[in-house]
Amino acid sequence: GQNIDQPTEMTATEGAIVQINCTYQTSGFNGLFWYQQHAGEAPTFLSYNVLDGLEEKGRFSSFLSRSKGYSYLLLKELQMKDSASYLCAVSSSGYALNFGKGTSLLVTP
Amino acid sequence: GAGVSQTPSNKVTEKGKYVELRCDPISGHTALYWYRQSLGQGPEFLIYFQGTGAADDSGLPNDRFFAVRPEGSVSTLKIQRTERGDSAVYLCASSPSGITDTQYFGPGTRLTVL
Repeated sequence: GQNIDQPTEMTATEGAIVQINCTYQTSGFNGLFWYQQHAGEAPTFLSYNVLDGLEEKGRFSSFLSRSKGYSYLLLKELQMKDSASYLCAVSSSGYALNFGKGTSLLVTP
Repeated sequence: GAGVSQTPSNKVTEKGKYVELRCDPISGHTALYWYRQSLGQGPEFLIYFQGTGAADDSGLPNDRFFAVRPEGSVSTLKIQRTERGDSAVYLCASSPSGITDTQYFGPGTRLTVL
């Protein structure tokens, strides 16, 4: 089966740094994706990791450890507009994505 | 360029009725996916098309659900004899070729079955 776990909710302050963790147990692995989803909107792509290590893209970075079944999304210099749900998804088969339940991030002034 | 579009944005129907949900993928994308998202949950995979054919329909919950993509572009998700439990947001995504591509999502169709 597929099991992807991430915290349900997190709160952080504007300008701060927040780390959203994701652990997974899947029958196959072809990469891990992070998506951002604002309420009532489509998920939008943030990052993709298939090899171990850190991928940096502006204020957002994503880390992967395949041996530990672990990833995190790091958001720096938080802005109010970063308040959203962050979805961790694993590609087991190479096409279909298996999503976690999402982490709802609230950025406060 | 244009992203993935879905129509209608909202659909309210009565239990037992038939509904069709439409997806227009990004032009040139050969891979198309349907997902279903319930409140407070992540998207759940339903079906994957590569071109005109359904390469994997293992996520369809039962035989009331069916999807087509006759010309390899637009896709329609069809739900027969709708039930209240079918209420959810139905998301469509497309990607250039399928294997480990980034998937680009449409805004979804919110289906409410009364």
